[in-house]
Amino acid sequence: EVQLVESGGALGQPGRSLRLSCAASGFTFNDYAMHWVRQAPGKGLEWVSGITWNSGSVGYADSVKGRFTISRDNAKNSLYLQMNSLRAEDMALYYCARDFCSSSFCYFDKWGQGTLVTVSS
Amino acid sequence: EIVMTQSPATLSVSPGERATLSCRASQSVSSNLAWYQQKSGQAPRLLIYGASTRATGIPARFSGSGSGTEFTLTISSLQSEDFAVYYCQQHNTWPRFGQGTKVEIK
Repeated sequence: EVQLVESGGALGQPGRSLRLSCAASGFTFNDYAMHWVRQAPGKGLEWVSGITWNSGSVGYADSVKGRFTISRDNAKNSLYLQMNSLRAEDMALYYCARDFCSSSFCYFDKWGQGTLVTVSS
Repeated sequence: EIVMTQSPATLSVSPGERATLSCRASQSVSSNLAWYQQKSGQAPRLLIYGASTRATGIPARFSGSGSGTEFTLTISSLQSEDFAVYYCQQHNTWPRFGQGTKVEIK
């Protein structure tokens, strides 16, 4: 069974750092691109960052560019999000999602349950 | 950056009625468009990919159409479990979501 389990969410102070992790199991992790998606309380889904299977290409939303860094360790079946210079608007539930591509179309077919990041002084 | 716009923000529908949700892209995304359903307290669930292909296990009452910049998700006869928030997502470039449409009971 495919599982994605996020961790690392916590109370962070503005300007400080947090590191999120996503542990993957039940599939060949290094066959897939992976993404982070967040959802602020009562708000919609926002794509945060993505990384290709071999880390050859990464992308970021403008709202986090220069502050967040996505990475992965295929040997550990793990995805990471280093979050620096935290802001109040970064407070959200952070999901990791698997990027599945079929017949030239790509979509997020598996999601974790999310890890909560709270930003407050 | 491609901007996705969904309408309406809220759709009030009676059980058994049809619901039609719209999604517009600021530039062409071909057919690289997916729809997700999210219920309160749950992670999103994939409904449709490639603009019109239902994901595994998704009932036939859900259908998607469109290409380029205009897309539609139709729920032919709303069941109680369909009341939720629906998001479109383009994946022609780095992914982007629409702001969501909440389907509520009328």
